[in-house]
Amino acid sequence: ETGVTQTPRHLVMGMTNKKSLKCEQHLGHNAMYWYKQSAKKPLELMFVYSLEERVENNSVPSRFSPECPNSSHLFLHLHTLQPEDSALYLCASSQDGTRYNEQFFGPGTRLTVL
Amino acid sequence: AQTVTQSQPEMSVQEAETVTLSCTYDTSENNYYLFWYKQPPSRQMILVIRQEAYKQQNATENRFSVNFQKAAKSFSLKISDSQLGDTAMYFCAFMKLINNNDMRFGAGTRLTVKP
Repeated sequence: ETGVTQTPRHLVMGMTNKKSLKCEQHLGHNAMYWYKQSAKKPLELMFVYSLEERVENNSVPSRFSPECPNSSHLFLHLHTLQPEDSALYLCASSQDGTRYNEQFFGPGTRLTVL
Repeated sequence: AQTVTQSQPEMSVQEAETVTLSCTYDTSENNYYLFWYKQPPSRQMILVIRQEAYKQQNATENRFSVNFQKAAKSFSLKISDSQLGDTAMYFCAFMKLINNNDMRFGAGTRLTVKP
């Protein structure tokens, strides 16, 4: 595997379910991100981890819970979601301290909340 | 806070022709980075081109070039000799030089290249 991978690619869940999204980066980066992509809206930065420490939490509801066990893996735990949480969830990684801190994106998980 | 605006939700262009996608942004920063990302249908988002605000020269990457107007806070993307594979969502993004984990994106422009 190369780059940034995400599983599952598609997820349908009820509002009472608990599920997790997984992201893995194979680029040796030290920062990872979760974004929410909704139709006709800008990408919303949800969480940032740098050196496995959370450095950004953009007023995300507590029904979204991130976890970064190491620099290669990032999870987003979901529970009691709402239909408006249906979106494409993108993971990205970058190397903090480099000039552009370019972010590399995964393919996303398409989440549908019924 | 920085905001990025893409005023064209959808655009189309004939194959081999040239198209320009618009982007404006709002910031009080003097130095920053600007990016264009491409997201093909059902595929990963990739970086197309980037510009450093302190450089006056417009960035160019093969058929892709930008028109960076710092005073006007404008950063348009020109695609020359459009190809079918250029069909995608295009996102303009802004990033400060410091605290550069926080990248701000526009809402995107859906570009369709027609044969």
